[in-house]
Amino acid sequence: DSGVTQTPKHLITATGQRVTLRCSPRSGDLSVYWYQQSLDQGLQFLIQYYNGEERAKGNILERFSAQQFPDLHSELNLSSLELGDSALYFCASSVIPGLMETQYFGPGTRLLVL
Amino acid sequence: GIQVEQSPPDLILQEGANSTLRCNFSDSVNNLQWFHQNPWGQLINLFYIPSGTKQNGRLSATTVATERYSLLYISSSQTTDSGVYFCAVVIGNQFYFGTGTSLTVIP
Repeated sequence: DSGVTQTPKHLITATGQRVTLRCSPRSGDLSVYWYQQSLDQGLQFLIQYYNGEERAKGNILERFSAQQFPDLHSELNLSSLELGDSALYFCASSVIPGLMETQYFGPGTRLLVL
Repeated sequence: GIQVEQSPPDLILQEGANSTLRCNFSDSVNNLQWFHQNPWGQLINLFYIPSGTKQNGRLSATTVATERYSLLYISSSQTTDSGVYFCAVVIGNQFYFGTGTSLTVIP
């Protein structure tokens, strides 16, 4: 158990809908990262937050947004969902914000868009 | 664009065998890391290794930044080593993953 929790574990929804994925980092970790893993795109870095502020942005679509709250949990919002958004979404956390600091990964949220 | 290539794409080993996984990258990198994704999907950091050599038990890694490659060595492989191994590089403020090497260790 990495100490990073993600909810829900599974999510099935329809095209055009909006969903919110939640991540709670390890106790004491200030930085949160979001990743997408799909069959055709592989693993992709989406976005990073550190202590509530956006720190780095990767291949995140405009239909997606994220935020980190004062209690340090983070949410990834996916809207106008398309079939191609079906993927495993990982959250990770680390103590300090460097993109290559040791990250602890949550178990992921598996999203299926029908 | 940035290319991060891993080889071989697939590898099947008998338990106890050794293996070398390779990661080639197309640009100078700030940092490099190796990850393992187990068959249940859990991702785990293995090494943070922008240059030089590191060892952790049966695993070791070497990065030659000037020649733009990194190697992950697995010795005396065990069935629990099965899964996909990814390398990832940081260039600027972006994080790029390789396509992975899928390793199956059979008893």
